[in-house]
Amino acid sequence: AQSVAQPEDQVNVAEGNPLTVKCTYSVSGNPYLFWYVQYPNRGLQFLLKYITGDNLVKGSYGFEAEFNKSQTSFHLKKPSALVSDSALYFCAVREYGGSQGNLIFGKGTKLSVKP
Amino acid sequence: KAGVTQTPRYLIKTRGQQVTLSCSPISGHRSVSWYQQTPGQGLQFLFEYFSETQRNKGNFPGRFSGRQFSNSRSEMNVSTLELGDSALYLCASKEATEAFFGQGTRLTVV
Repeated sequence: AQSVAQPEDQVNVAEGNPLTVKCTYSVSGNPYLFWYVQYPNRGLQFLLKYITGDNLVKGSYGFEAEFNKSQTSFHLKKPSALVSDSALYFCAVREYGGSQGNLIFGKGTKLSVKP
Repeated sequence: KAGVTQTPRYLIKTRGQQVTLSCSPISGHRSVSWYQQTPGQGLQFLFEYFSETQRNKGNFPGRFSGRQFSNSRSEMNVSTLELGDSALYLCASKEATEAFFGQGTRLTVV
């Protein structure tokens, strides 16, 4: 069965510093991987996805993610954090490794960026 | 294009009652999925509808049901509400590989 793990409940960084939010996955077949962000009392906003191709994926708001097949990881990164990046981040994998199937989410990582 | 619209945004219901939540997908999207978000269980898949047919179902009791109309709008219904049904219910419409989420309906069962 497909699964996603986000090993950190919370990540704290200072504004202007680089940030990394970790995600590892377990899938059979080729993974379809996603990152979403959730602000308080809001729905999920799509940040970026990896389907195939370049291992470094660029997304919204300056975020990027690196797909590493050998380490089965898909870490979210940003070179310079902003206070407004503080939110809950979810990594997800599509269940059947294709365009169909539901999303399986990690537990989420709370990112806190301090001025 | 308008985004995914969920109504109502907030609901308070009493145990034993039933509730219906509504979701209007992005125009042109035929797939609608529902997810439940709770602090303890995180985000869990409820069901997916495509062209008025349930295509996939998560591991929830039969009290949770849904349907999709010919205009792709979807509703989910929860009968005999329990305290544990209190959650944020999120709807997503899908085009190709990406899912776009609505703001959610916050259901509180008292």
